[in-house]
Amino acid sequence: DAGVIQSPRHEVTEMGQEVTLRCKPISGHDYLFWYRQTMMRGLELLIYFNNNVPIDDSGMPEDRFSAKMPNASFSTLKIQPSEPRDSAVYFCASSLQGNQPQHFGDGTRLSIL
Amino acid sequence: AQSVTQLGSHVSVSEGALVLLRCNYSSSVPPYLFWYVQYPNQGLQLLLKYTSAATLVKGINGFEAEFKKSETSFHLTKPSAHMSDAAEYFCAVTTASRGGADGLTFGKGTHLIIQP
Repeated sequence: DAGVIQSPRHEVTEMGQEVTLRCKPISGHDYLFWYRQTMMRGLELLIYFNNNVPIDDSGMPEDRFSAKMPNASFSTLKIQPSEPRDSAVYFCASSLQGNQPQHFGDGTRLSIL
Repeated sequence: AQSVTQLGSHVSVSEGALVLLRCNYSSSVPPYLFWYVQYPNQGLQLLLKYTSAATLVKGINGFEAEFKKSETSFHLTKPSAHMSDAAEYFCAVTTASRGGADGLTFGKGTHLIIQP
């Protein structure tokens, strides 16, 4: 049974470039979450979806960040334009219901030069 | 709003010794509590969960945790540490205050070091 799949695993790009991170949740899971992990701030919730609809995006740091979920099996997190302070590991997670355990992908390690 | 405090950013124990990782939470409504483990360059793996059933929760790899409402704690224990337990451990809380979901609020994590 496939888990949450994220791509790419690593991304290195120059500041000002557009970055797109991708996530495929576990089939049948209604909730999808995006988190960011940094040394300074730890793990932070950015946004989450229920049945493809964004429910809470209060954790999205700036307008440069946007997330979409066009269907139940795919979500993207986009940063445009990227800045060095966006460097972090970005995790996607999914769950059957909101209070059920979340299953995490292996993350995308993003470095903005 | 909820929050999680993990006491001790680093904990070192000898192989075979008791492991105790501390977690205290704050929540205005009954919480759902989780412990996750993260190995280097990997995602988070669920160890165990508390969702208002039994207060003593058993998880994978011999770990367990006890929910104590009076102390607002959810400490993680393992009777005998193995070298393979060396990792980062995160305590997390969420609520169902809106009848659906909130995202997880994580503690800062505790790095567990196992001494041979």
